[in-house]
Amino acid sequence: KNEVEQSPQNLTAQEGEFITINCSYSVGISALHWLQQHPGGGIVSLFMLSSGKKKHGRLIATINIQEKHSSLHITASHPRDSAVYICAVPNAGGTSYGKLTFGQGTILTVHP
Amino acid sequence: DADVTQTPRNRITKTGKRIMLECSQTKGHDRMYWYRQDPGLGLRLIYYSFDVKDINKGEISDGYSVSRQAQAKFSLSLESAIPNQTALYFCATSDFAGSGYTFGSGTRLTVV
Repeated sequence: KNEVEQSPQNLTAQEGEFITINCSYSVGISALHWLQQHPGGGIVSLFMLSSGKKKHGRLIATINIQEKHSSLHITASHPRDSAVYICAVPNAGGTSYGKLTFGQGTILTVHP
Repeated sequence: DADVTQTPRNRITKTGKRIMLECSQTKGHDRMYWYRQDPGLGLRLIYYSFDVKDINKGEISDGYSVSRQAQAKFSLSLESAIPNQTALYFCATSDFAGSGYTFGSGTRLTVV
């Protein structure tokens, strides 16, 4: 089974700061997911990426398949970015057929 | 309407009672999943279904059963609820490649 480690577990920032959240996994994969969970509990898929970098608004996700590592960056952070960010990978490695193993999440709080 | 709808949103039930959590989707995805979220443990897979005739156990299926009534409907049952099944339950869907991952809003279940 793939093991997923996220760091940091908790992150506090001031509005406008650049944020980085890291994710490492143990078994080679072809794609990785980044998810966002809001304080109300709902989960939204931010990115699914298999190589290089993807960007959506102020969010940037990168992945290094060889090093089994991914990062999620938030530029010009805002209080509305406060949420739990979760990394997920296929739970048996290999291709992403849907069954996922999740990291424990990074709790991000952005203060005005 | 939400792409993935879970009912109920909140439920308090007594130990020993049978309870069903329902999930319906309008994404047209074949793959559906039930996950459980506990503080500090992240999301864990209970059951998954890759099509109407395919049901599979996840990593924590004991004490649970599922039914895939149609492509769009996937329900989770607790045959005899116990307090350590108190958790936040999520239904999710994806396409064949594992992309398009979409979560329901979650069901907060409390077993007393």
